[in-house]
Amino acid sequence: KAGVTQTPRYLIKTRGQQVTLSCSPISGHRSVSWYQQTPGQGLQFLFEYFSETQRNKGNFPGRFSGRQFSNSRSEMNVSTLELGDSALYLCASSLDGIRGNKAEAFFGQGTRLTVV
Amino acid sequence: GNSVTQMEGPVTLSEEAFLTINCTYTATGYPSLFWYVQYPGEGLQLLLKATKADDKGSNKGFEATYRKETTSFHLEKGSVQVSDSAVYFCALLKGANNLFFGTGTRLTVIP
Repeated sequence: KAGVTQTPRYLIKTRGQQVTLSCSPISGHRSVSWYQQTPGQGLQFLFEYFSETQRNKGNFPGRFSGRQFSNSRSEMNVSTLELGDSALYLCASSLDGIRGNKAEAFFGQGTRLTVV
Repeated sequence: GNSVTQMEGPVTLSEEAFLTINCTYTATGYPSLFWYVQYPGEGLQLLLKATKADDKGSNKGFEATYRKETTSFHLEKGSVQVSDSAVYFCALLKGANNLFFGTGTRLTVIP
């Protein structure tokens, strides 16, 4: 079956602009979570959506937002971009989170955002 | 709070050498623990996991044992291959999908 698809793979934006990233989870998966990966801060959790509702949220400013559609596809939006937002943004999908012995999160290849 | 402390890299080993990457954690309760691997240009892949104390996760020759008494989850492999070259992340689970990651350890295996 198809894996997690993130689009676009690469993006260059200017400071002050806004950007929308997309994540299509594995078919049948209802949980999508987003992570930011930077050399300085490593991998940090942004938020998780399940059945179109935000279920968990990390410690990021309100400029970072997301949503999930009825087909489980998710988008992440960053407004008023700053240079420090340059990062690899990863999304992960799972059936219903990764609690339990058999559950697993599958990651996409990420979107590399560069803010200039 | 929840955090993961991972051995600093990079680590360079010769093929067939023994690998250990240290990982310790701080968490409330009894978190599930994971090792993820990231190959160049790719996302993260789950390597192995353990959901309770004394569990041993294993996959592709890699092993890690959940040690509650030392709050550790060290990754080991008896004989590394060039194809194991990647970045390895230790992580703990908080909530449904909120993974707390270590800083990652880059492993390079030379022939």
